[in-house]
Amino acid sequence: QVQLVQSGAEVKKPGASVKVSCKASGYTFTSYDINWVRQATGQGLEWMGWMNPNSGNTGYAQKFQGRVTMTRNTSISTAYMELSSLRSEDTAVYYCARVPHYYDSSGYFPYGMDVWGQGTTVTVSS
Amino acid sequence: SYVLTQPPSVSVAPGQTARITCGGNNIGSKSVHWYQQKPGQAPVLVVYDDSDRPSGIPERFSGSNSGNTATLTISRVEAGDEADYYCQVWDSSSDQGVFGGGTKLTVL
Repeated sequence: QVQLVQSGAEVKKPGASVKVSCKASGYTFTSYDINWVRQATGQGLEWMGWMNPNSGNTGYAQKFQGRVTMTRNTSISTAYMELSSLRSEDTAVYYCARVPHYYDSSGYFPYGMDVWGQGTTVTVSS
Repeated sequence: SYVLTQPPSVSVAPGQTARITCGGNNIGSKSVHWYQQKPGQAPVLVVYDDSDRPSGIPERFSGSNSGNTATLTISRVEAGDEADYYCQVWDSSSDQGVFGGGTKLTVL
């Protein structure tokens, strides 16, 4: 079945970096974008960015520009999200999600996030 | 940046119809997606492209989008529908995804 399986929980100190993985199975990894979304405890969903696993192209939310890097290893169908200079406010559950999409002359058109990983809890604490 | 506004909470009795709104400037020109999230679980896509349902989502879930408001409608509400619901769009002007703040649906 189609699924995204994320790496386990992380505890980091302020100023450190964290790298979360997202392994895809049951579909062609390079045919769908991967988005990353996070959610602090008791808060709403926050979009972080997207990556096209085929080209490696990425786009990040302004809030995370300069701190986030999204990459992939197509040989093992795995996407990665690395967040640096961690602070306590980055404590959250981080999700990867699959996004069907198409391009035409007008631009880029993503559909909804149709498959989600189980989430990875990242705790930033001294 | 583009802003989506949802009511914090909506309450409805079982068997009735729940309507959850998502407001945004000219949102009718964008494709709106809706997610259901139950406590401790990852979100689930329940409506995409304004009004389409993924396979496995009951017909009780429907969506509409016009002008400055998109609406998720849940007919014949059941206790199991109690959850947080989020709307989401792609803002092509900034090439970024945007979520609404979320609405907690309570089934009385």
